[in-house]
Amino acid sequence: QKEVEQNSGPLSVPEGAIASLNCTYSDRGSQSFFWYRQYSGKSPELIMSIYSNGDKEDGRFTAQLNKASQYVSLLIRDSQPSDSATYLCAVKQGAQKLVFGQGTRLTINP
Amino acid sequence: EAGVVQSPRYKIIEKKQPVAFWCNPISGHNTLYWYLQNLGQGPELLIRYENEEAVDDSQLPKDRFSAERLKGVDSTLKIQPAELGDSAVYLCASSLGLNNEQFFGPGTRLTVL
Repeated sequence: QKEVEQNSGPLSVPEGAIASLNCTYSDRGSQSFFWYRQYSGKSPELIMSIYSNGDKEDGRFTAQLNKASQYVSLLIRDSQPSDSATYLCAVKQGAQKLVFGQGTRLTINP
Repeated sequence: EAGVVQSPRYKIIEKKQPVAFWCNPISGHNTLYWYLQNLGQGPELLIRYENEEAVDDSQLPKDRFSAERLKGVDSTLKIQPAELGDSAVYLCASSLGLNNEQFFGPGTRLTVL
């Protein structure tokens, strides 16, 4: 079992719709969770972090965390073509190591 | 404020040749990371520095890879000799301490022929 698992996609969503990205992790002791966006040929950029169970909203982005189910998700409302990218889920194991999933490729269709 | 700087951006070498990558972190960031990213995969940590000390190098293939951060600022990652399977993007990141956001550099895309 991979430490952090994501569906690699591609995930295709029409413009204006909600894009839902999912991630599961194996280390039950993990406390910090992150979503990075990576445009093709570019470096990862942090867009959301979440530490407590529940929802965290930032503009069009909502991160959701369920530690009991070891599940974290990212919702993108009113999806725009500029949201087309690979979204990486990252989980901090213990106090130190950041482990990334393989990423989900998202395409927003105009 | 300047971001993380890496050079070169692209490197093409033949197998068995040596190669080196350079990283200059964001000013004041004491924690520096080197990651490897294969196509279609997430970044994988190779080594983490706290100032000039390598505190996590468990994923660094030490038979051919080496790294240094002599003055606790910029860092160099070296591969000698390079193998075909080393073709990947090598990302450098830095943070202000271990528990803060990591900022990534643009990466060096290595192609080994």
